[in-house]
Amino acid sequence: QSVLTQPPSVSGAPGQRVTISCTGNSSNIGAGFDVHWYQQLPGTAPKLLIYGNRNRPSGVPDRFSGSKSGTSASLAITGLQAEDEADYHCQSFDSSLVAWVFGGGTKLTVL
Amino acid sequence: QVQLQESGPGLVKPSQTLSLTCTVSGGSISSGTYYWSWIRQPAGKGLEWIGRIYISGSTEYNPSLRSRVTISVDTSKNQFSLKLTSVTAADTAVYYCARAWSPVDYWGQGTLVTVSS
Repeated sequence: QSVLTQPPSVSGAPGQRVTISCTGNSSNIGAGFDVHWYQQLPGTAPKLLIYGNRNRPSGVPDRFSGSKSGTSASLAITGLQAEDEADYHCQSFDSSLVAWVFGGGTKLTVL
Repeated sequence: QVQLQESGPGLVKPSQTLSLTCTVSGGSISSGTYYWSWIRQPAGKGLEWIGRIYISGSTEYNPSLRSRVTISVDTSKNQFSLKLTSVTAADTAVYYCARAWSPVDYWGQGTLVTVSS
């Protein structure tokens, strides 16, 4: 059972917009700790996609965006492409556990 | 460009100790304000943070693993290491070493460790 809750799967057709939620509590996201997002293509290591809730590292397309409100965060992907098919993971810090925590991951399928 | 590479046995017997080393290239492990971390991922499941070490030697561990985990650093070899004692089948996973400043910005390719007799 992951500390942060993500939907197991989402899907969308090419060109569409999808969102992936990441729900925490008052000890992690709700306490103001940053949320980071990672993209994991099949058989590869995760790659940093969004950091500090809404910032994109160099080279990440602006089709990817992040937001945070209250005890939740969201990753939005617009103009969905076949190459976006991957697992997406959110991460934050939990002050009660004094530990980095991850969501269970969400598998994005491009129909 | 920083690169990280995990190395160690791919098969460990139950109750024994899992030992992995991460070799950092393309930059000194002593430079910057980074946390050198271990993260694992059981097959088909999410990521689990194991722990991290700062260059000063201070460590922080996942509370669920704290009693069995030790992370250390060898600056002369530009490496850091993971030891996990008393392993069981539940410790079977892909183990990643990683560099982080808050998010993880560099990951190793990962190494599969299977716990089986």
